[in-house]
Amino acid sequence: AQSVTQLGSHVSVSEGALVLLRCNYSSSVPPYLFWYVQYPNQGLQLLLKYTSAATLVKGINGFEAEFKKSETSFHLTKPSAHMSDAAEYFCAVTMDSNYQLIWGAGTKLIIKP
Amino acid sequence: DGGITQSPKYLFRKEGQNVTLSCEQNLNHDAMYWYRQDPGQGLRLIYYSQIVNDFQKGDIAEGYSVSREKKESFPLTVTSAQKNPTAFYLCASSMGTGSSTDTQYFGPGTRLTVL
Repeated sequence: AQSVTQLGSHVSVSEGALVLLRCNYSSSVPPYLFWYVQYPNQGLQLLLKYTSAATLVKGINGFEAEFKKSETSFHLTKPSAHMSDAAEYFCAVTMDSNYQLIWGAGTKLIIKP
Repeated sequence: DGGITQSPKYLFRKEGQNVTLSCEQNLNHDAMYWYRQDPGQGLRLIYYSQIVNDFQKGDIAEGYSVSREKKESFPLTVTSAQKNPTAFYLCASSMGTGSSTDTQYFGPGTRLTVL
């Protein structure tokens, strides 16, 4: 069965520091991967998606993610954290066309001043 | 502006009552979805619809019902059979191209609390 694991339910970084949010998937076929962000009491907003065109994907708000097939990972990074990045981040994967996304449990990003 | 609206934002219900959550989109998307979100569990799919007058059960459809009479509308009814309905409910839509890269766009959510 397909699954997505996000390591760390909470990640805390200082303002200006590197942000690294981890996502690993299980799959025997090439996946399509998504990162979404959710601010408190709001819906989800697409940050970026991997569709096999390029392994390094750039998204909104300065975020990017790199697809590493050998590590079955799609970690999200940002060089310098900003207070406005405080939110919950979700990784999701789909491997077929049945319209279903498999979701990770989410990681709350906390930014320390 | 194009987007997805959900109403109400907060909803309170007494045990044993049915309640309907509204979801409307003006993106001209074919596919629509309902998710339930609980703390620490990510999103779980309740129902989805690929086209008007058709819908399929997701992973946790028991205690819920939907209809898709219009392309732009996909209301969700939480019935009294749902054992633990208190949660944050999210509606989403996508073009429904049948491609795995089809992107889902989300509404602002409705927080349902059963008293």
